[in-house]
Amino acid sequence: NFMLTQPPSVSESPGKTVTISCTRSSGSIASNYVQWYQQRPGSFPTTVIYEDYQRPSGVPDRFSGSIDSSSNSASLTISELKTEDEADYYCQSYDATNRVFGGGTKLTVL
Amino acid sequence: QVKLQQWGAGLLKPSETLSLTCTVYGGSFSGYYWNWIRQAPGMGLEWIGEINHSGNTFYNPSLKSRLTISVDTSSNHVSLTLSSVTAADTAIYYCARLNYNYYFDFWGRGTLVTVSS
Repeated sequence: NFMLTQPPSVSESPGKTVTISCTRSSGSIASNYVQWYQQRPGSFPTTVIYEDYQRPSGVPDRFSGSIDSSSNSASLTISELKTEDEADYYCQSYDATNRVFGGGTKLTVL
Repeated sequence: QVKLQQWGAGLLKPSETLSLTCTVYGGSFSGYYWNWIRQAPGMGLEWIGEINHSGNTFYNPSLKSRLTISVDTSSNHVSLTLSSVTAADTAIYYCARLNYNYYFDFWGRGTLVTVSS
Protein backbone atom coordinates (compact mmCIF):
# COMPACT_ATOMS: atom_id res chain seq x y z
CA ASN A 1 0.00 0.00 0.00
CA PHE A 2 1.19 3.51 -0.74
CA MET A 3 0.66 6.79 1.09
CA LEU A 4 -0.01 10.32 -0.10
CA THR A 5 1.68 13.06 1.94
CA GLN A 6 0.42 16.64 2.01
CA PRO A 7 1.55 19.64 4.06
CA PRO A 8 -0.82 20.08 7.03
CA SER A 9 -1.43 23.73 6.30
CA VAL A 10 -0.72 26.57 3.91
CA SER A 11 -1.71 30.19 4.01
CA GLU A 12 -1.72 33.02 1.54
CA SER A 13 -3.32 36.38 0.95
CA PRO A 14 -6.35 37.09 -1.24
CA GLY A 15 -5.43 37.59 -4.86
CA LYS A 16 -2.23 35.56 -4.58
CA THR A 17 -1.44 32.06 -5.81
CA VAL A 18 -0.92 28.99 -3.63
CA THR A 19 0.24 25.48 -4.47
CA ILE A 20 -0.48 22.37 -2.41
CA SER A 21 1.69 19.33 -2.93
CA CYS A 22 0.85 15.63 -2.66
CA THR A 23 3.73 13.15 -2.69
CA ARG A 24 3.25 9.45 -3.38
CA SER A 25 5.35 7.17 -1.19
CA SER A 26 5.74 4.25 -3.58
CA GLY A 27 4.75 3.51 -7.11
CA SER A 28 4.72 6.15 -9.80
CA ILE A 29 2.48 9.19 -9.38
CA ALA A 30 1.88 8.97 -13.11
CA SER A 31 0.58 5.42 -13.02
CA ASN A 32 -2.81 6.29 -11.53
CA TYR A 33 -4.86 9.45 -11.77
CA VAL A 34 -4.87 11.97 -8.93
CA GLN A 35 -7.99 13.75 -7.76
CA TRP A 36 -8.33 16.80 -5.50
CA TYR A 37 -11.26 17.49 -3.19
CA GLN A 38 -12.29 20.64 -1.35
CA GLN A 39 -14.06 20.29 1.96
CA ARG A 40 -15.58 23.18 3.82
CA PRO A 41 -16.51 22.81 7.50
CA GLY A 42 -19.64 20.77 8.06
CA SER A 43 -19.91 19.61 4.47
CA PHE A 44 -18.90 16.63 2.39
CA PRO A 45 -15.99 16.96 -0.04
CA THR A 46 -16.44 18.19 -3.59
CA THR A 47 -14.13 17.55 -6.50
CA VAL A 48 -12.05 20.41 -7.86
CA ILE A 49 -9.63 18.37 -10.01
CA TYR A 50 -9.89 14.85 -11.45
CA GLU A 51 -7.62 12.79 -13.68
CA ASP A 52 -4.59 14.87 -12.64
CA TYR A 53 -5.67 18.17 -14.19
CA GLN A 54 -9.26 18.04 -15.37
CA ARG A 55 -11.86 20.36 -13.83
CA PRO A 56 -15.46 19.29 -13.26
CA SER A 57 -18.11 21.54 -14.67
CA GLY A 58 -18.58 24.57 -12.45
CA VAL A 59 -15.07 24.65 -10.97
CA PRO A 60 -13.36 27.92 -11.93
CA ASP A 61 -10.18 27.85 -13.98
CA ARG A 62 -8.37 29.39 -11.02
CA PHE A 63 -7.98 25.77 -9.92
CA SER A 64 -5.39 23.71 -11.78
CA GLY A 65 -3.68 20.38 -11.24
CA SER A 66 -0.43 18.87 -12.37
CA ILE A 67 1.86 15.94 -11.71
CA ASP A 68 5.67 15.84 -11.55
CA SER A 69 7.26 12.46 -12.06
CA SER A 70 10.68 13.69 -10.93
CA SER A 71 9.37 14.36 -7.41
CA ASN A 72 6.65 11.71 -7.64
CA SER A 73 4.10 14.28 -6.63
CA ALA A 74 0.94 16.01 -7.70
CA SER A 75 0.09 19.63 -7.12
CA LEU A 76 -3.04 21.71 -6.82
CA THR A 77 -2.60 25.37 -7.67
CA ILE A 78 -5.20 27.98 -6.84
CA SER A 79 -4.66 31.42 -8.35
CA GLU A 80 -6.38 34.71 -7.58
CA LEU A 81 -7.21 33.44 -4.13
CA LYS A 82 -10.56 34.34 -2.66
CA THR A 83 -11.65 34.10 0.95
CA GLU A 84 -14.19 31.48 -0.14
CA ASP A 85 -11.30 29.16 -1.12
CA GLU A 86 -10.48 28.72 2.55
CA ALA A 87 -11.09 25.03 3.18
CA ASP A 88 -9.41 21.66 3.60
CA TYR A 89 -8.02 20.09 0.44
CA TYR A 90 -7.39 16.39 -0.06
CA CYS A 91 -5.56 14.59 -2.82
CA GLN A 92 -6.63 11.06 -3.68
CA SER A 93 -5.31 8.31 -5.91
CA TYR A 94 -5.55 4.55 -6.18
CA ASP A 95 -3.91 1.31 -7.21
CA ALA A 96 -5.37 -2.01 -8.30
CA THR A 97 -7.23 -2.67 -5.05
CA ASN A 98 -7.16 0.48 -2.92
CA ARG A 99 -8.14 4.11 -2.97
CA VAL A 100 -5.96 6.37 -0.88
CA PHE A 101 -6.46 9.88 0.43
CA GLY A 102 -3.76 12.27 1.46
CA GLY A 103 -3.88 13.60 5.00
CA GLY A 104 -5.35 16.91 3.91
CA THR A 105 -4.12 20.48 3.80
CA LYS A 106 -5.87 23.34 5.55
CA LEU A 107 -5.78 26.43 3.34
CA THR A 108 -6.09 29.71 5.15
CA VAL A 109 -6.73 32.83 3.09
CA LEU A 110 -5.89 35.85 5.17
CA GLN B 1 -30.15 13.94 -10.27
CA VAL B 2 -28.46 11.29 -8.18
CA LYS B 3 -29.11 11.36 -4.45
CA LEU B 4 -27.55 9.16 -1.79
CA GLN B 5 -29.51 8.81 1.42
CA GLN B 6 -27.85 7.20 4.41
CA TRP B 7 -29.21 5.83 7.63
CA GLY B 8 -28.11 3.71 10.57
CA ALA B 9 -27.44 3.72 14.28
CA GLY B 10 -25.43 6.69 15.49
CA LEU B 11 -24.40 5.52 18.96
CA LEU B 12 -22.70 2.23 19.69
CA LYS B 13 -20.89 0.64 22.60
CA PRO B 14 -17.42 -0.87 22.22
CA SER B 15 -17.47 -4.37 20.70
CA GLU B 16 -20.83 -3.79 18.99
CA THR B 17 -21.38 -3.92 15.24
CA LEU B 18 -21.78 -0.79 13.12
CA SER B 19 -24.41 -1.05 10.40
CA LEU B 20 -25.18 1.63 7.85
CA THR B 21 -27.19 1.63 4.65
CA CYS B 22 -27.06 3.95 1.69
CA THR B 23 -29.94 4.11 -0.78
CA VAL B 24 -29.28 5.45 -4.26
CA TYR B 25 -32.00 7.50 -5.91
CA GLY B 26 -31.85 8.55 -9.55
CA GLY B 27 -29.34 7.63 -12.20
CA SER B 28 -28.05 4.17 -12.90
CA PHE B 29 -27.10 1.87 -10.05
CA SER B 30 -25.17 -0.64 -12.13
CA GLY B 31 -21.91 0.27 -13.79
CA TYR B 32 -20.53 2.19 -10.82
CA TYR B 33 -18.57 1.43 -7.70
CA TRP B 34 -20.28 2.53 -4.50
CA ASN B 35 -17.89 3.53 -1.75
CA TRP B 36 -17.80 4.10 1.97
CA ILE B 37 -15.47 6.77 3.32
CA ARG B 38 -15.13 7.97 6.89
CA GLN B 39 -13.74 10.98 8.69
CA ALA B 40 -12.89 10.94 12.38
CA PRO B 41 -13.54 14.21 14.25
CA GLY B 42 -11.00 16.81 13.20
CA MET B 43 -9.19 14.31 10.99
CA GLY B 44 -8.81 13.50 7.33
CA LEU B 45 -10.70 11.24 4.96
CA GLU B 46 -10.21 7.48 5.14
CA TRP B 47 -11.36 5.15 2.39
CA ILE B 48 -13.20 2.14 3.81
CA GLY B 49 -14.12 0.09 0.76
CA GLU B 50 -16.31 -0.25 -2.30
CA ILE B 51 -18.69 -2.54 -4.12
CA ASN B 52 -20.30 -2.69 -7.55
CA HIS B 53 -23.72 -3.99 -8.57
CA SER B 54 -22.28 -7.48 -9.12
CA GLY B 55 -21.01 -7.62 -5.56
CA ASN B 56 -17.33 -7.24 -6.40
CA THR B 57 -15.63 -5.62 -3.42
CA PHE B 58 -12.38 -3.95 -2.49
CA TYR B 59 -11.61 -3.23 1.15
CA ASN B 60 -9.12 -1.09 3.03
CA PRO B 61 -6.57 -3.64 4.29
CA SER B 62 -6.56 -2.05 7.73
CA LEU B 63 -10.30 -2.72 8.16
CA LYS B 64 -10.74 -5.86 6.09
CA SER B 65 -10.94 -8.32 8.97
CA ARG B 66 -13.95 -6.51 10.47
CA LEU B 67 -15.62 -5.20 7.33
CA THR B 68 -18.44 -6.33 5.08
CA ILE B 69 -19.93 -4.26 2.27
CA SER B 70 -22.95 -5.66 0.49
CA VAL B 71 -25.37 -4.59 -2.20
CA ASP B 72 -29.07 -5.14 -2.89
CA THR B 73 -29.71 -4.22 -6.50
CA SER B 74 -33.47 -4.71 -6.16
CA SER B 75 -33.65 -1.73 -3.85
CA ASN B 76 -30.48 0.14 -4.80
CA HIS B 77 -29.08 -0.30 -1.32
CA VAL B 78 -25.43 -0.44 -0.33
CA SER B 79 -24.71 -1.60 3.21
CA LEU B 80 -21.71 -1.33 5.49
CA THR B 81 -21.06 -3.58 8.45
CA LEU B 82 -18.07 -3.10 10.74
CA SER B 83 -17.74 -5.46 13.66
CA SER B 84 -16.07 -5.11 17.07
CA VAL B 85 -16.03 -1.32 17.02
CA THR B 86 -13.89 0.76 19.34
CA ALA B 87 -13.65 4.48 20.04
CA ALA B 88 -11.24 4.70 17.10
CA ASP B 89 -14.17 3.95 14.79
CA THR B 90 -15.97 7.13 15.87
CA ALA B 91 -16.38 9.13 12.67
CA ILE B 92 -18.70 10.58 10.09
CA TYR B 93 -19.38 7.83 7.58
CA TYR B 94 -20.11 8.82 3.98
CA CYS B 95 -21.31 6.79 1.06
CA ALA B 96 -20.17 8.06 -2.31
CA ARG B 97 -20.37 7.11 -5.96
CA LEU B 98 -17.16 6.59 -7.93
CA ASN B 99 -17.80 7.77 -11.45
CA TYR B 100 -16.21 6.76 -14.75
CA ASN B 101 -13.58 9.48 -14.42
CA TYR B 102 -12.25 7.99 -11.18
CA TYR B 103 -13.60 10.62 -8.81
CA PHE B 104 -16.33 10.59 -6.20
CA ASP B 105 -19.04 12.69 -7.78
CA PHE B 106 -22.05 12.15 -5.49
CA TRP B 107 -21.93 11.90 -1.73
CA GLY B 108 -24.36 11.16 1.02
CA ARG B 109 -24.71 13.76 3.74
CA GLY B 110 -22.79 11.57 6.17
CA THR B 111 -23.77 9.74 9.33
CA LEU B 112 -22.02 10.48 12.61
CA VAL B 113 -21.29 7.26 14.43
CA THR B 114 -20.07 7.56 17.99
CA VAL B 115 -18.61 4.63 19.89
CA SER B 116 -18.73 5.17 23.62
CA SER B 117 -19.32 3.10 26.71
